[in-house]
Amino acid sequence: ELKVEQNPLFLSMQEGKNYTIYCNYSTTSDRLYWYRQDPGKSLESLFVLLSNGAVKQEGRLMASLDTKARLSTLHITAAVHDLSATYFCAVDLTTSGTYKYIFGTGTRLKVLA
Amino acid sequence: ETGVTQTPRHLVMGMTNKKSLKCEQHLGHNAMYWYKQSAKKPLELMFVYSLEERVENNSVPSRFSPECPNSSHLFLHLHTLQPEDSALYLCASSPLLRGYGYTFGSGTRLTVV
Repeated sequence: ELKVEQNPLFLSMQEGKNYTIYCNYSTTSDRLYWYRQDPGKSLESLFVLLSNGAVKQEGRLMASLDTKARLSTLHITAAVHDLSATYFCAVDLTTSGTYKYIFGTGTRLKVLA
Repeated sequence: ETGVTQTPRHLVMGMTNKKSLKCEQHLGHNAMYWYKQSAKKPLELMFVYSLEERVENNSVPSRFSPECPNSSHLFLHLHTLQPEDSALYLCASSPLLRGYGYTFGSGTRLTVV
């Protein structure tokens, strides 16, 4: 059974600090996505990682993908309160004729002023 | 607005009621999805439609019945639901090309009483 595990599940951090969220998955996939969800809102696409070694950066967030280790990371640099949200990774299990992502458990991030 | 519109935003229904959730997109995407998001659980894929044909039915109880009349519209028909079906139901769409990620709607918050 495919598992997509994120850790930590909850993260409370001070503004200005750095931290990394991890996404581990148990099957072969070369594509992975990160999403952000604010309370009561939908999911917003953050990063699309399309190959082994891919690294994407947007503002204070940087995502990377290691398909051999089946691991993706979302690194937060100098956190600010606006980054408080729940972050999901999603593994692309698309096969011929079927388009399917499996989402991780989510990491709820709270940045304290 | 993300380009994927879901209605209603909130729905309260009794266990004997019949209701429908609607999803609409005009992004030119040819794949559409229903996900269920419950508290403390990962997003669960329910149904996938590709070119208006159902290609995935993830062991969803028959009290949930999807319909995709065209590539822009997706419905989820609900009947004789249980209280444990209360959740946020998210619709998403994507192109048929890999690597573009999903665009999510804002979701319908369903409460079964």
